Amino acid sequence: AQSVTQPDIHITVSEGASLELRCNYSYGATPYLFWYVQSPGQGLQLLLKYFSGDTLVQGIKGFEAEFKRSQSSFNLRKPSVHWSDAAEYFCAVGGAATNAGKSTFGDGTTLTVKP
Amino acid sequence: DGGITQSPKYLFRKEGQNVTLSCEQNLNHDAMYWYRQDPGQGLRLIYYSQIVNDFQKGDIAEGYSVSREKKESFPLTVTSAQKNPTAFYLCASSTRAGVGSPLHFGNGTRLTVT
Repeated sequence: AQSVTQPDIHITVSEGASLELRCNYSYGATPYLFWYVQSPGQGLQLLLKYFSGDTLVQGIKGFEAEFKRSQSSFNLRKPSVHWSDAAEYFCAVGGAATNAGKSTFGDGTTLTVKP
Repeated sequence: DGGITQSPKYLFRKEGQNVTLSCEQNLNHDAMYWYRQDPGQGLRLIYYSQIVNDFQKGDIAEGYSVSREKKESFPLTVTSAQKNPTAFYLCASSTRAGVGSPLHFGNGTRLTVT
């Protein structure tokens, strides 16, 4: 069975500081990995996705993520956080034979940005 | 602009009443999904549909029902059999029901049952 763990429930960073949100997954084959962002009271928006190839993927809003198969991780990073990045972030995993909607989501990490 | 419209944004119902949440998309997506989100938890799949007139149960389908009579529409009914219906409900769609297509989400409906 596939699963996703986001070890950090809540992270606080200062504006302008770098950010790394952790994601560990469990999947029996090559996974499809996603990061989504959710603002309060809104739906989720796709930040980036990894299917194959280059293990460092670029996304929207200056985010990037690195796939590390040996560590079963797909951590999200941003060099300099902006106040508008405050939101909840979800990592999700699926596979080639998996319907996109049957991706498994982590419980989310809430990001607070200090001025 | 294309997107997914969920209505209403807030919904209040008395216990024992059925309630239907609307989801419409104009993205021409084949697949549509309903998720439930509770505080501090990830998304849990209720039902999904890969094609018109067909749908499958997700992980927490008990107490819910859906229909898919049109490609654009995937309404969710929360029945009185759902023991804990108060939650944030998200509708989503994707281009293909198979290989890793990302999800496009609506802005959700917050249902409160008292």
